[in-house]
Amino acid sequence: QTVVTQEPSFSVSPGGTVTLTCGLSSGSVSTTSYPSWYQQTPGQAPRTLIYSTNTRSSGVPDRFSGSILGNKAALTITGAQADDESDYYCVLYMGSGIYVFGTGTKVTVL
Amino acid sequence: EVHLVESGGGLVQPGGSLRLSCAASGFTFSSYTMHWVRQAPGEGLEWVSGISAGGGTTYYADSVKGRFTISRDNSKNTLYLQINSLRAEDTAVYYCARRTTVAYFYFDYWGQGTLVTVSS
Repeated sequence: QTVVTQEPSFSVSPGGTVTLTCGLSSGSVSTTSYPSWYQQTPGQAPRTLIYSTNTRSSGVPDRFSGSILGNKAALTITGAQADDESDYYCVLYMGSGIYVFGTGTKVTVL
Repeated sequence: EVHLVESGGGLVQPGGSLRLSCAASGFTFSSYTMHWVRQAPGEGLEWVSGISAGGGTTYYADSVKGRFTISRDNSKNTLYLQINSLRAEDTAVYYCARRTTVAYFYFDYWGQGTLVTVSS
């Protein structure tokens, strides 16, 4: 069974930078997994932030960026703001119509 | 404007069945692959199932294969998820989501979700 792992939590100061990662239990994440990232606040539906590794979805501020770091996908928030405090999920496309969500990272801004 | 509205959730006894619906508007429904994603209380998101634009191909997570059936009615712009043999661990908010255009593999629009509670 494929497991996609993320850090459980991160804390970042307002204006600071934080990088979240998304890794595979076995193997490396590459652009061919089409990693995407979603932001979710409690009680709300997810919001699409990044797709195809590093493309920002419409309306997403440029303080959010995506990349591949080593063997993982990464989401970086540069200049964190209070309303960035959310849960963040990555998704990897495994082929044959199958997707796997990461375990999620809770980001606190304080 | 794209809208996805789920319905059909509720309280169901273990072993029971439920059919969830997702009404789509604001786009050409028949041109898009659609998906269901769920989230158990206090837990993370889990991809559950997907269906091709024409409905001829379906995809399932191993955790639901054999119990869940995804379908769609393109004449009604509606996506469905039939859930049988419900278990306590199926308790979750169920979201429908649209996969974006053919060249990319991500979900660009989401509904607000419908809550399924499995309990006696």
